[in-house]
Amino acid sequence: DAGVTQSPTHLIKTRGQQVTLRCSPKSGHDTVSWYQQALGQGPQFIFQYYEEEERQRGNFPDRFSGHQFPNYSSELNVNALLLGDSALYLCASSRGWTGEETQYFGPGTRLLVL
Amino acid sequence: DAKTTQPPSMDCAEGRAANLPCNHSTISGNEYVYWYRQIHSQGPQYIIHGLKNNETNEMASLIITEDRKSSTLILPHATLRDTAVYYCIVRVGGTSYGKLTFGQGTILTVHP
Repeated sequence: DAGVTQSPTHLIKTRGQQVTLRCSPKSGHDTVSWYQQALGQGPQFIFQYYEEEERQRGNFPDRFSGHQFPNYSSELNVNALLLGDSALYLCASSRGWTGEETQYFGPGTRLLVL
Repeated sequence: DAKTTQPPSMDCAEGRAANLPCNHSTISGNEYVYWYRQIHSQGPQYIIHGLKNNETNEMASLIITEDRKSSTLILPHATLRDTAVYYCIVRVGGTSYGKLTFGQGTILTVHP
């Protein structure tokens, strides 16, 4: 049973560029959450997708957007990259809104903005 | 979600029990206590969670005080591979409260 997978594992971009990160949830999960983790800090919640809609959003600007596909996989898009967007981006999946909602994390995508 | 307080760091000898405390004095009746750990540069790993009863699984035990204002994660026989940052998180269970609010966590170092 595959866990949460993310791609790519590492990425280097320059300021002003756009980036797309991808996440495939754990088998049987239909909800995907995204987190940003700066060096030395705990992960910070970006947003959560369920039934292809953004259900909850953290304190992140509109440059951060996402999408969820019918197969429950998800993308995180960041436009107009800033140096401060350099971080580990984590995807977590869970099984919907009812019952057990434990979130399971993927290995992350490390983004470096130069 | 309620705020949690954890010691910034702890040490433990290999083979001994590691007891990691967490204070969540403002926890509400419908908030669960979750524990995750993060080994360097990897994604956080779920360990255990509970509401008010003590819980045990293959990884750890969770002891929640009767007033629910604090809890302790117990790793019964710590190994070097348990060296990680441990996060205690409280969040509302049930529907539509998705986000996990991470603090700074406790850096647990297990030494030989």
